[in-house]
Amino acid sequence: AQSVAQPEDQVNVAEGNPLTVKCTYSVSGNPYLFWYVQYPNRGLQFLLKYITGDNLVKGSYGFEAEFNKSQTSFHLKKPSALVSDSALYFCAFAYSSASKIIFGSGTRLSIRP
Amino acid sequence: DTGVSQDPRHKITKRGQNVTFRCDPISEHNRLYWYRQTLGQGPEFLTYFQNEAQLEKSRLLSDRFSAERPKGSFSTLEIQRTEQGDSAMYLCASRGLAGSQETQYFGPGTRLLVL
Repeated sequence: AQSVAQPEDQVNVAEGNPLTVKCTYSVSGNPYLFWYVQYPNRGLQFLLKYITGDNLVKGSYGFEAEFNKSQTSFHLKKPSALVSDSALYFCAFAYSSASKIIFGSGTRLSIRP
Repeated sequence: DTGVSQDPRHKITKRGQNVTFRCDPISEHNRLYWYRQTLGQGPEFLTYFQNEAQLEKSRLLSDRFSAERPKGSFSTLEIQRTEQGDSAMYLCASRGLAGSQETQYFGPGTRLLVL
């Protein structure tokens, strides 16, 4: 089945350190790839998406993601973590810009002061 | 606030009762999506509308579930004869017509607990 995988249920990082949240995809064709973030008791917020072009995508709140076709990965990164980045992060894909989004299982990011 | 809104935010009901949720999309967004999120999982697609037409339904959407968008603006999701397994967060999202650069914007969700 076509899917995205987030291999880590939880990632712990010290404030100020770089962070990486991993995502690999198993989707045929040229999917749209997304990262969303979910804060407690709030809806999903869009961070960034990859369609085509530059493999490094810049998004909201200083996040970026690197698309790697050979490794079928789309890891989320940030150079310097903030405590306020602590949240649940979802990698996702879609077959087109308007179709349903299929989400991974999520990674809980915890930034310690 | 001009984002997607959902009502109610929380609903507690007894097994066997019917419940209805409402979603108001961002103004002029023609596409509206419903997802369901259970604890510890990512959201799962249920159905979506383009204007008033329901274009796709997931097999997760059993006969007890029905969704409408009668005037192409707000949408309702009804669950009949609720079961404990229906307990979840129900998320609504909307999307405009701005081409591939557009994305889905999510509402805060309705958390359903079936006792």
